[in-house]
Amino acid sequence: AQTVTQSQPEMSVQEAETVTLSCTYDTSENNYYLFWYKQPPSRQMILVIRQEAYKQQNATENRFSVNFQKAAKSFSLKISDSQLGDTAMYFCAFMKYSGGGADGLTFGKGTHLIIQP
Amino acid sequence: GAVVSQHPSRVICKSGTSVKIECRSLDFQATTMFWYRQFPKQSLMLMATSNEGSKATYEQGVEKDKFLINHASLTLSTLTVTSAHPEDSSFYICSPRSTNEKLFFGSGTQLSVL
Repeated sequence: AQTVTQSQPEMSVQEAETVTLSCTYDTSENNYYLFWYKQPPSRQMILVIRQEAYKQQNATENRFSVNFQKAAKSFSLKISDSQLGDTAMYFCAFMKYSGGGADGLTFGKGTHLIIQP
Repeated sequence: GAVVSQHPSRVICKSGTSVKIECRSLDFQATTMFWYRQFPKQSLMLMATSNEGSKATYEQGVEKDKFLINHASLTLSTLTVTSAHPEDSSFYICSPRSTNEKLFFGSGTQLSVL
């Protein structure tokens, strides 16, 4: 079984600042994906960024980037030029993948990110 | 973009009654459906996985006779909470996986059992 750990229950930064959310995971699997999801007050899950474990290059999506350290089993999310709309719960998630398809996601406990005006 | 329709968005029921939650993929086929629940101020927990035309696989601690999952077609899956009790009150989210292995999420159903 795999575990996902987010050690920051809550973070608060000023608008336009850069913030990094941490995530570590534990698995014995070789084939997997890692995700960051955003959950605003509406509770709709929104994909922020996805990383395939076999790719060494860190994924980037506009203001969002990850620092994927496979050996250390670390997968942090960096948000640049933070905006008020970034205020939300952020969940790190792990998905095992095999030839038979993908398993469901294992989520961390989440980090509540607050962007202050 | 792909659309997932989950209904109802909110339901209140009396203890002992059954509630059905529907999840439809409107413009893609979902070969696999994942069902999660989220208690207040907690993370999402996987309840079960179903593949179209097959019986669902339940996670440890989830009662299969209480949470009935039907995935009879590639565009519709249902979760029925049978004989609901207050401890079943939670936010339930479906997550279909498309044939090209993309993951989506429904908008969730808040179940409140009185």
